[in-house]
Amino acid sequence: QKEVEQNSGPLSVPEGAIASLNCTYSDRGSQSFFWYRQYSGKSPELIMSIYSNGDKEDGRFTAQLNKASQYVSLLIRDSQPSDSATYLCAVNRISGRGSTLGRLYFGRGTQLTVWP
Amino acid sequence: GAVVSQHPSWVICKSGTSVKIECRSLDFQATTMFWYRQFPKQSLMLMATSNEGSKATYEQGVEKDKFLINHASLTLSTLTVTSAHPEDSSFYICSARDHGGRADTQYFGPGTRLTVL
Repeated sequence: QKEVEQNSGPLSVPEGAIASLNCTYSDRGSQSFFWYRQYSGKSPELIMSIYSNGDKEDGRFTAQLNKASQYVSLLIRDSQPSDSATYLCAVNRISGRGSTLGRLYFGRGTQLTVWP
Repeated sequence: GAVVSQHPSWVICKSGTSVKIECRSLDFQATTMFWYRQFPKQSLMLMATSNEGSKATYEQGVEKDKFLINHASLTLSTLTVTSAHPEDSSFYICSARDHGGRADTQYFGPGTRLTVL
């Protein structure tokens, strides 16, 4: 079982719609959860972080975390063509050797296309 | 805040030469930096974790003698690809952990595209 799994893409939504991206993780002890956006040919950009159960909103983005279900999601409201990118879910585990504490485990990413 | 730079942004070299890539945290101190590699259409692959003042920790399958990492200060880590070959051509990305902020938040540099002829 992979550490972090994301719903298979690609995902295609019309402009103005809600895009829903999902992620599950295997380590129940995980504490920190992140969503990164990666445009083609560019490096990842942090867009959301969430640490406790529930919803966290930032502009058009809402991250949802359910630790009991080991599930984290990202909702993008009023999707724009500029949101077209690959979205990476990342999880930080509490275990690990001292020198590698803080490493993130990434999903393979979900490619989102927002068409006008 | 939380800006990470990389230099160079792209490099083309001949097979057998060595290439050094720099990763700098510009407005924060980073006790830990991470080096990733990404091939086209594939996900990020962690190569190594670099800790200031100590040896890097390499992921399984990554040759430490080929990918030399030095983290001499709280704002600079370098990755040297020694005796590069065409199969080393890839997108190399560093990230840095903000020592003063949430310890587990990583900020990525813009990446270095390496092409080995």
